[in-house]
Amino acid sequence: IQMTQSPSSLSAFVGDRVTITCRASQGIRIDLGWYQQRPGKAPKLLIYAASKLQSGVPSRFSGSGSGTYFTLTISSLQPEDIATYYCLQDFNYPRTFGQGTKVEIK
Amino acid sequence: VELVESGGGLVHPGTSLRLSCAASGFTFSDYWMTWVRQAPGKGLEWVANIKEDGGRFSYVDSVEGRFTISRDNAKNSLYLQMNSLRAEDTALYYCARDLNAEYNNDWYDTNDVWGQGTMVIVSS
Repeated sequence: IQMTQSPSSLSAFVGDRVTITCRASQGIRIDLGWYQQRPGKAPKLLIYAASKLQSGVPSRFSGSGSGTYFTLTISSLQPEDIATYYCLQDFNYPRTFGQGTKVEIK
Repeated sequence: VELVESGGGLVHPGTSLRLSCAASGFTFSDYWMTWVRQAPGKGLEWVANIKEDGGRFSYVDSVEGRFTISRDNAKNSLYLQMNSLRAEDTALYYCARDLNAEYNNDWYDTNDVWGQGTMVIVSS
């Protein structure tokens, strides 16, 4: 299964609403997670089952979608959200990541 | 809860390397485990995972037949034996814990704990 994210990068102001999309090449129900990777750090789980917030993750992060179309939204961008974000399908093997979306502050 | 990878290094194409991941702070034998890699400046690539008892595993096509994932639950350790290494295997290799998270009476595979990675460079 191919996972395609867009955009590949974006720049926004602190406080802006930011949305990242992830499309699957075939239906994957809601078997999708979102991961944040800050520069020089290991990935961190944000969301699983397309919309379930992992414990400890700020509520400004939210996910939605099912089938082939998914979104990750940051409701109010903060400086600590500077990172690359990846979707990952866990519908079947091999698992596949999207290519990543780099988020920067204007 | 911690994962610490080791075993990376600089090797020539065609040679072998064995990565290790030491787990602590949780009951290792209760979890599937995963290897994910990241080539320099590139995105994440899922490599392989292995069932709690080592009895089931899966690989990405590009490493199938060359890499072997294994574990020793008595030593709380995960391994990745990498043979016939190629330049395109150059990457930072992370191990991660698989957590089956429940939601609406169904289960979803997530990677909730990650190590800091060990670097593998394949070059002549």
